[in-house]
Amino acid sequence: EEQLLESGGGLVQPGGSLRLSCAASGFSFSSYAMTWVRQAPGKRLEWVSGISGSGDRTDYADSVKGRFTISRDNSQNTLYLQMNSLRAEDTALYYCATDGRNAYNWYFSHWGQSTLVTVSS
Amino acid sequence: DIQMTQSPSTLSASVGDRVTITCRASQSLSTWLAWYQQKPGKAPKLLIYLASTLESGVPSRFSGSGSGEEFTLTISSLQPDDFATYYCQQYNSLPWTFGQGTKVEIK
Repeated sequence: EEQLLESGGGLVQPGGSLRLSCAASGFSFSSYAMTWVRQAPGKRLEWVSGISGSGDRTDYADSVKGRFTISRDNSQNTLYLQMNSLRAEDTALYYCATDGRNAYNWYFSHWGQSTLVTVSS
Repeated sequence: DIQMTQSPSTLSASVGDRVTITCRASQSLSTWLAWYQQKPGKAPKLLIYLASTLESGVPSRFSGSGSGEEFTLTISSLQPDDFATYYCQQYNSLPWTFGQGTKVEIK
């Protein structure tokens, strides 16, 4: 069974950096595209970034482009999100998510439990 | 970006009721639409994809319909486990976007 476990969240000052990790197990990680989705308190879900199985394709929401970098280490079955120049509006629960039925994640059948990022002085 | 708008935002219903949630897109999606259920403190759960295809393991009381710009999620007979927030999501074009959610509450 596919399992995803996020870590790396925490409290950071505006302008600071964090790196989120998502450890995957129970499936052929390198064959699955992966995605980060976030949810600010009481708000709708927001797609943040996606990456192909090989890592050669990455996409970003305009709200994070140039500040966040998605990457993966297929030898370690781990997905990352490097977040720089953090802003208060980046405060949210961050989920990693995936679905193995297509070459790129269109919808998400497997989700982690999330990690909380709080940007505040 | 494609804007997704759900109605209503909140819905009060009783066990056994038939419930319908509407999702409208700012442009045509064909049938590139998914529905999720989210309970407090939990990750979303995929219910339906391709507008009307039921995800494996999801009860048959859930159904989806629609194409183009208007879609519906129907729960044929509301069960106690169904009180939750429901989101639609378009995957017609990046960035994928979600509706604002519909909270189904106990009447």
